[in-house]
Amino acid sequence: NAGVTQTPKFQVLKTGQSMTLQCAQDMNHEYMSWYRQDPGMGLRLIHYSVGAGITDQGEVPNGYNVSRSTTEDFPLRLLSAAPSQTSVYFCASSYSSGPGNTIYFGEGSWLTVV
Amino acid sequence: RKEVEQDPGPFNVPEGATVAFNCTYSNSASQSFFWYRQDCRKEPKLLMSVYSSGNEDGRFTAQLNRASQYISLLIRDSKLSDSATYLCVVPRSGGGADGLTFGKGTHLIIQP
Repeated sequence: NAGVTQTPKFQVLKTGQSMTLQCAQDMNHEYMSWYRQDPGMGLRLIHYSVGAGITDQGEVPNGYNVSRSTTEDFPLRLLSAAPSQTSVYFCASSYSSGPGNTIYFGEGSWLTVV
Repeated sequence: RKEVEQDPGPFNVPEGATVAFNCTYSNSASQSFFWYRQDCRKEPKLLMSVYSSGNEDGRFTAQLNRASQYISLLIRDSKLSDSATYLCVVPRSGGGADGLTFGKGTHLIIQP
C-alpha cells in the first residue's frame, strides 16, 4: 500500500550542486505535482503534469525542471541549488485534475542548501 | 484580496469545546473547496471536500458561502488529537487543472 513515495527524505546540498528528488506513485494516477512548503508561506505549486509526456509550470517554477516519461514517476530536478531552495518538498498525485479528485501527498523531502 | 486567506492562529481551545475558523477566497469561479489537515512535519491529508453549501462528517462540518466567498470549518467536541494545522484549499483555475492554491493554514491547539 505504497501510495506516493518520495526519496530522499532528507538531503543537504552545497550551493551550486544539482540533484533530483524522486517521486513515484502506484495508483495509476494521471495527475502529479510538486509543491514546496516554507514557514509562513503555505504550499506553493512548482510544476505539475496531467499525464505522461505533459508538464507545465506552476507558481514558483524557476530553478526547477521536471519530466514525466512514465505515468508512475515525476522527478523534480534542482539545476543549481541555492539557499533560497531550502524547503520541504511534497509530491502529490490524483486520479485526474478535475474537482473532487482526492490528492494524495508523499511524506515530504526536507532539503537544506548551505 | 489574496487568493486564499486564513487566520494563522494559534487557536487554543479546551478539550470538548467547539471551534470554528474561516477561509476567504478570491476566485469566484471556484466550484470545489477542500480542508486538509497537516500534522507537524507530516504531509497534508484531506479532511473534507465542499462542493455545494456544505458538508458534514461526524464532528466536522464545512460550510460554503459563495456570496461572501468564504468557507468555514466547525469542529464539535474537540479532541486532543484534533491539534494540527488546517489548510484551506481552492483549485487554481476553478477546475483544478493546474493545481491547488493552499492557504497558509490555521494552527489549532486542543488543551486538556
